[in-house]
Amino acid sequence: EAQVTQNPRYLITVTGKKLTVTCSQNMNHEYMSWYRQDPGLGLRQIYYSMNVEVTDKGDVPEGYKVSRKEKRNFPLILESPSPNQTSLYFCASSAYTSVGEQYFGPGTRLTVT
Amino acid sequence: EDQVTQSPEALRLQEGESSSLNCSYTVSGLRGLFWYRQDPGKGPEFLFTLYSAGEEKEKERLKATLTKKESFLHITAPKPEDSATYLCAVQAVGGRGSTLGRLYFGRGTQLTVWP
Repeated sequence: EAQVTQNPRYLITVTGKKLTVTCSQNMNHEYMSWYRQDPGLGLRQIYYSMNVEVTDKGDVPEGYKVSRKEKRNFPLILESPSPNQTSLYFCASSAYTSVGEQYFGPGTRLTVT
Repeated sequence: EDQVTQSPEALRLQEGESSSLNCSYTVSGLRGLFWYRQDPGKGPEFLFTLYSAGEEKEKERLKATLTKKESFLHITAPKPEDSATYLCAVQAVGGRGSTLGRLYFGRGTQLTVWP
């Protein structure tokens, strides 16, 4: 089954404690992206990757890091989380030829206290 | 700056009452416009891609159309199971500050269809 998986699905943490949200896809997609979704603000792109070792900033990259060492994985790293990073996070993937036709993961709800 | 605006923010329809959702965009050059459906607590689900003005795509009760500056998602005779938030996203060709991998989402239209 074609899917994008994210872990963990729910996470409550404290300010400053480094965390990683994993994202994996089984469709051999070149393109992967991270978004955050906040009430009233919609879906905003954090980082994206056009292929292995190629990443670029989206709308709201501050406070986040990513890496793309393997085609299937695209982890999101928060080195020093702050309460304003409390949000619902989605990972997505798609083929390079149709970037906008994305498969989304189930989401990770992060709370930073 | 690239921008996508969706209207209305929320729409309530009675079952069978057709209507349209709007997505207007101001990107410097459109590479593609995409519609998604999102159910509460889930990730968005891709519906349609539109590339050029005049193009139309259909799927069951949904039809997406595209003009030079906006797209419409027409819902014909909706059913309660069509209730969801509909998202529009655009990919720009390029230009200042835009790269191919950037996708700009609107804030969505929350559709409720009651029996």
